Amino acid sequence: DGGITQSPKYLFRKEGQNVTLSCEQNLNHDAMYWYRQDPGQGLRLIYYSQIVNDFQKGDIAEGYSVSREKKESFPLTVTSAQKNPTAFYLCASSIGGTENQPQHFGDGTRLSIL
Amino acid sequence: GENVEQHPSTLSVQEGDSAVIKCTYSDSASNYFPWYKQELGKRPQLIIDIRSNVGEKKDQRIAVTLNKTAKHFSLHITETQPEDSAVYFCAASMARGNTPLVFGKGTRLSVIA
Repeated sequence: DGGITQSPKYLFRKEGQNVTLSCEQNLNHDAMYWYRQDPGQGLRLIYYSQIVNDFQKGDIAEGYSVSREKKESFPLTVTSAQKNPTAFYLCASSIGGTENQPQHFGDGTRLSIL
Repeated sequence: GENVEQHPSTLSVQEGDSAVIKCTYSDSASNYFPWYKQELGKRPQLIIDIRSNVGEKKDQRIAVTLNKTAKHFSLHITETQPEDSAVYFCAASMARGNTPLVFGKGTRLSVIA
């Protein structure tokens, strides 16, 4: 969706290096999510945030960190502790409310190790 | 926690035939079930979703059915076309707002012209 922007599209990480993936949305959505996609594995949840200044770990949070200082931004840092970072990373957002609403995805960032 | 199983992992059909993809879930509290289509190298896009107060929902050639008793839901694509070729993901979550989705592992659909 045009309202969710991920950058960069491709990213290369050196050994021992932390890298940060950007995710910005202008949809005024309350919730934002980070997923990792590996071939044959589907989408696995890394972190999610339902409101500003709050976030929760997903199923595979080890080696990753996030922040949610602004409603429209939810950057993901892949730390050197993540030993197998090569994957396709997808950011998503959904509108707030008491009932679950569809998640809309960005175009993704493909991360590789140099 | 929730676990979603999706079958088959690959599916090939002739153009014009129907395709059916099935998912089962484990948590009886789940009641929101979206389906996403992902073309190679692109973002997943929502194609249809269903909530537990509905047993079936249809949108042109696409339909989703839900059996809450058996805890399974299915995607049906009729009159398949080559542009339907993609990976399809099912997902499940509880109804309360912004609960994360749990995804199946995907089905690679190939429509042969």
